[in-house]
Amino acid sequence: DGGITQSPKYLFRKEGQNVTLSCEQNLNHDAMYWYRQDPGQGLRLIYYSQIVNDFQKGDIAEGYSVSREKKESFPLTVTSAQKNPTAFYLCASSMVGGELFFGEGSRLTVL
Amino acid sequence: DQQVKQNSPSLSVQEGRISILNCDYTNSMFDYFLWYKKYPAEGPTFLISISSIKDKNEDGRFTVFLNKSAKHLSLHIVPSQPGDSAVYFCAASPIHGSSNTGKLIFGQGTTLQVKP
Repeated sequence: DGGITQSPKYLFRKEGQNVTLSCEQNLNHDAMYWYRQDPGQGLRLIYYSQIVNDFQKGDIAEGYSVSREKKESFPLTVTSAQKNPTAFYLCASSMVGGELFFGEGSRLTVL
Repeated sequence: DQQVKQNSPSLSVQEGRISILNCDYTNSMFDYFLWYKKYPAEGPTFLISISSIKDKNEDGRFTVFLNKSAKHLSLHIVPSQPGDSAVYFCAASPIHGSSNTGKLIFGQGTTLQVKP
């Protein structure tokens, strides 16, 4: 089955810790994205990558980092510099310019 | 600055009636628009799209209307079903030209409740 897999689905973190969210896709999509969703707000773009070994900051990249070493994988690290990391994180992929296909999301809670 | 706005946070309709979800945008460079549907604790799923060369696109019970002069689009669901209860996001993108990155700008979402 083709799709996007995010893990873990739920994650708890202590303040000051970095945490990495995994995103894997087997759709052979070139582009991958990380969005953040907060209550009452739309999805906001954190980082995106259109090709392996290249990525760009989105609208709210501060406190986050990504890598794109493989086409299938686009992990997101939420660093201790992110001031308000508790949120629902969504990974997506697409052919460049095409519709986005989303994973099921990862809910991060900072204790 | 919110480039894509869904001004109604919620909408409640009776089963069998029409649901109309609205979306406004400010950037005249947008020329591709999409609607996504999201259930709690799941990722959004693509529902329907429209490009700026059209003013209407229909897919089964779902129809999207685009009014470019008003920078407004709407999603009509008819007849509405209880399973349609979800959060609906509209999204916009410039798909032509070198500025295209495939990234979308999303509205805040509208929660639709369809009552049996």
